[in-house]
Amino acid sequence: SYVLTQPPSVSVAPGKTATITCGGDNIALKSVHWFQQRPGQAPLLVIDYDSDRSSGIPDRFSGSNTGDTATLTISGVEVGDEADYYCQVWDSRADHPVFGGGTQLTVL
Amino acid sequence: EMQLVESGGGLEQPGGSLRLSCTGSEFTFANYAMSWVRQAPGKGLEWISGISGSGTTTYYADSAAGRFTISRDNSKNTMYLQMNGLRVEDTARYFCAKDKKVADWLSGILDLWGQGTLVTVSS
Repeated sequence: SYVLTQPPSVSVAPGKTATITCGGDNIALKSVHWFQQRPGQAPLLVIDYDSDRSSGIPDRFSGSNTGDTATLTISGVEVGDEADYYCQVWDSRADHPVFGGGTQLTVL
Repeated sequence: EMQLVESGGGLEQPGGSLRLSCTGSEFTFANYAMSWVRQAPGKGLEWISGISGSGTTTYYADSAAGRFTISRDNSKNTMYLQMNGLRVEDTARYFCAKDKKVADWLSGILDLWGQGTLVTVSS
């Protein structure tokens, strides 16, 4: 099946920019979706189709997808952004969605 | 407000069975494909099964195929996951989630999630 690779953790100071990557073979040929999961909560769709923000998601969140890496960028990070972030794509061979392993964002 | 509510979780012995339910409200349930996603304690998200809006097409991850069966009753706005042959490694919180777009196929772009129901498999 298609494998998505994320760093286990990313740390950033408040107000700075966090970059969370999602690696996959020619991932640029796929649409990447990003989910945020705060502790004890259900996941929340934040970005779909590489860079489209979901309703209510601040424009501090942005996405890109080139080559073998998709990226979720959070600018002006706030304490409330602390969460696990998951990328997801459609695995055309398996004919179902797959998630990356997730990245824990810590705001120092 | 649109909502999904899961039920049916609990403690089951290895080899046993459970049926999870997911009921939607405040949206036209039959118009959307739905998915089950699970999360083992302290682990990441794992998509395990999905079903088209009409119920005619089903999708399974390898971990679920042959043991789990997804279905839906649109007259009751409810989706089900029949889990047989449960294993210790099936212990997880099981979330149901709705596809974002109206279509009779699964996209996996999940824009509404329930709070999940906990399944524990242990002897």
